[in-house]
Amino acid sequence: FLLTQPHSVSESPGKTVTISCTRSSGSIVLNYVQWYQQRPGSAPTTIIYQDDHRPSGVPDRFSGSIDTSSNSASLTISGLKTEDEADYYCQSYDANSVVFGGGTKLTVL
Amino acid sequence: EVQLLESGGGLAQPGGSLRLSCVASGFTFDTYAMSWVRQAPGKGLEWVSVISASGRTTYYADSVKGRFTISRDNSNSRLYLQMDSLRADDAAVYYCAREAPLIPPTYPGEWGQGIVVAVSS
Repeated sequence: FLLTQPHSVSESPGKTVTISCTRSSGSIVLNYVQWYQQRPGSAPTTIIYQDDHRPSGVPDRFSGSIDTSSNSASLTISGLKTEDEADYYCQSYDANSVVFGGGTKLTVL
Repeated sequence: EVQLLESGGGLAQPGGSLRLSCVASGFTFDTYAMSWVRQAPGKGLEWVSVISASGRTTYYADSVKGRFTISRDNSNSRLYLQMDSLRADDAAVYYCAREAPLIPPTYPGEWGQGIVVAVSS
C-alpha cells in the first residue's frame, strides 16, 4: 500500500495547520499510524505514535487523528511556531513491511 | 536515555560492500526489535529492514532484498547492516532505529543520528 501526503503546506505563526496522509489500500485502522518531524540537517523524531499518542516532551499543540471515511490519518499542529518549520512524515505498516509517506514540507511564514 | 550510534559508513564502489554498525545504550537491547531506515539526498524516508528482538525474524524492503542482510549481537547491544552489490541508488543517510515494543514490523520510536553512505566509482 502507499501513504500519500501533500508535498507542502504553509501557514502563519499562531494559526492551525492539518497535514493529511491517505492510505491507498487496506483500512487505515488496520495498523497504527505514526508521524515524524525532521528539521533540516537532523534525524527524524517521533511526534505521534499509535494514531494519536504523543511521546513525552512533545507539546500538546501536536495531535493525530484517524478518519475512516477518507481512509486517512491527519496531523494537526495548533498555535504554529517558526520552530515547527520542518518536514513531516506519516508511517504505517503491514504484515511484513513498513511504509512511509512521501513527506510534507511545512513552511511557517 | 536511549542512544543509538551508527558507524561504518563511507564511500563504496558500485558492486562493492559496506557493513554498518549501530551500538545501542540506555535500554535493554535484547527486548526490542531494531530497524534501518534510509534517506537519499533530498528525498524522503525509506524503510530498509527490521529484525526481531531475538534476531530470528527479519524483513526487507524489495529494493534491498537479496543484497542487504540485517543482523544483531545482543550480547554487545549491536545492530548491523551488511550491504553487498551496492548501487548508486543506495547512496543515502542510513538511520538505526529502535522499534516499538510490539511484534515487528511496526514503527521506529527512537532514532540514531544517521551515517552517510556514498556509492561512486
